[in-house]
Amino acid sequence: AQRVTQPEKLLSVFKGAPVELKCNYSYSGSPELFWYVQYSRQRLQLLLRHISRESIKGFTADLNKGETSFHLKKPFAQEEDSAMYYCALLNYGQNFVFGPGTRLSVLP
Amino acid sequence: NAGVTQTPKFRVLKTGQSMTLLCAQDMNHEYMYWYRQDPGMGLRLIHYSVGEGTTAKGEVPDGYNVSRLKKQNFLLGLESAAPSQTSVYFCASSPQGDGDEQFFGPGTRLTVL
Repeated sequence: AQRVTQPEKLLSVFKGAPVELKCNYSYSGSPELFWYVQYSRQRLQLLLRHISRESIKGFTADLNKGETSFHLKKPFAQEEDSAMYYCALLNYGQNFVFGPGTRLSVLP
Repeated sequence: NAGVTQTPKFRVLKTGQSMTLLCAQDMNHEYMYWYRQDPGMGLRLIHYSVGEGTTAKGEVPDGYNVSRLKKQNFLLGLESAAPSQTSVYFCASSPQGDGDEQFFGPGTRLTVL
């Protein structure tokens, strides 16, 4: 079965520190993975997807098929990065399977 | 464009009552989805639709029904609400499937007493 895990419910870092939000998945095919973000009082929105290999707001994520991971990284965290982050997998049925989410808190 | 809107924003029900949540999108998207969000469990897909007149079950469909009579609207019904259905419900739409970005509504907070 397809599954997405995010081991950290809460991650706190200081402003300017590096941040890594972990995501692991189980999927038998060739995965398509995404990161969605929900800022306070805003809607859930797409942050980035692995196939586009882009950097959004300084965040990057690399798909590691060997480790079945898609960790989200940013070298220098900003206070405005504080939000709830969800890793998501696109499965065979063209539906998303979301992880439980990690709340990132960037402290001043 | 309003994007994806949800009605109502909040609702409190008693066990056994019924209600319908309305999702509307003005982006001419084919796909629409209903999720529930519970603490520690992320978003779980309830039902989805790949086009007008179609519906399909997601991961947690029991206790819910849906209809997509018009392309722009996707209704989620609870026939007999239970406390286990207390949750935040999100609607989303996407142009097609195939990994298209999903656009989310603001959510509906439902409490079943």
